Amino acid sequence: GAGVSQSPSNKVTEKGKDVELRCDPISGHTALYWYRQRLGQGLEFLIYFQGNSAPDKSGLPSDRFSAERTGESVSTLTIQRTQQEDSAVYLCASSLMKLVGDTQYFGPGTRLTVL
Amino acid sequence: AQSVTQLDSHVSVSEGTPVLLRCNYSSSYSPSLFWYVQHPNKGLQLLLKYTSAATLVKGINGFEAEFKKSETSFHLTKPSAHMSDAAEYFCVVTLTSGTYKYIFGTGTRLKVLA
Repeated sequence: GAGVSQSPSNKVTEKGKDVELRCDPISGHTALYWYRQRLGQGLEFLIYFQGNSAPDKSGLPSDRFSAERTGESVSTLTIQRTQQEDSAVYLCASSLMKLVGDTQYFGPGTRLTVL
Repeated sequence: AQSVTQLDSHVSVSEGTPVLLRCNYSSSYSPSLFWYVQHPNKGLQLLLKYTSAATLVKGINGFEAEFKKSETSFHLTKPSAHMSDAAEYFCVVTLTSGTYKYIFGTGTRLKVLA
């Protein structure tokens, strides 16, 4: 079946512009996660959705970052007034439900470059 | 709080020789542990996971890992490296409550020499 998809695969933007990143989870997966992978650093958690609510936003680095999810479907991560330090690969993952040990399936990521 | 430490940022092995990628974890409760692989310009792929069943876990592509509670370790091994194994490997622990978000290690880049 179809996996997690993300778009765009690459995004180059100028400092100060807003960007929107999209994630389509696996159909039926109730849990959705966003992570960030900066060059030379590990992956860091950004936000978690259960359905369309976000009970954990603790990883969002600043108020320039926001995300929403429509039902148990598409999610968008928005970065306002982008800065060069926002350059990274943004990964989305989904899992069937919120259980210990449930596998998260990752999308291919969106590579964001802020000039 | 849960955390993972990957002891080696880079590992080089010759093709056909064993692979050992080390991971130590910290968790207040019985953890769920995963190994993921990331090939260049590809997404993260699950290799194997431990969720309190058998302590020796077999994964894809001949990889396996052993959960050792006494050593708080979850090292990844493979008897014989293949050129296609060259990639970055991440050890992951999940929170045991709340969001069950992943806590990633910093990754180990595996190089396989011909």
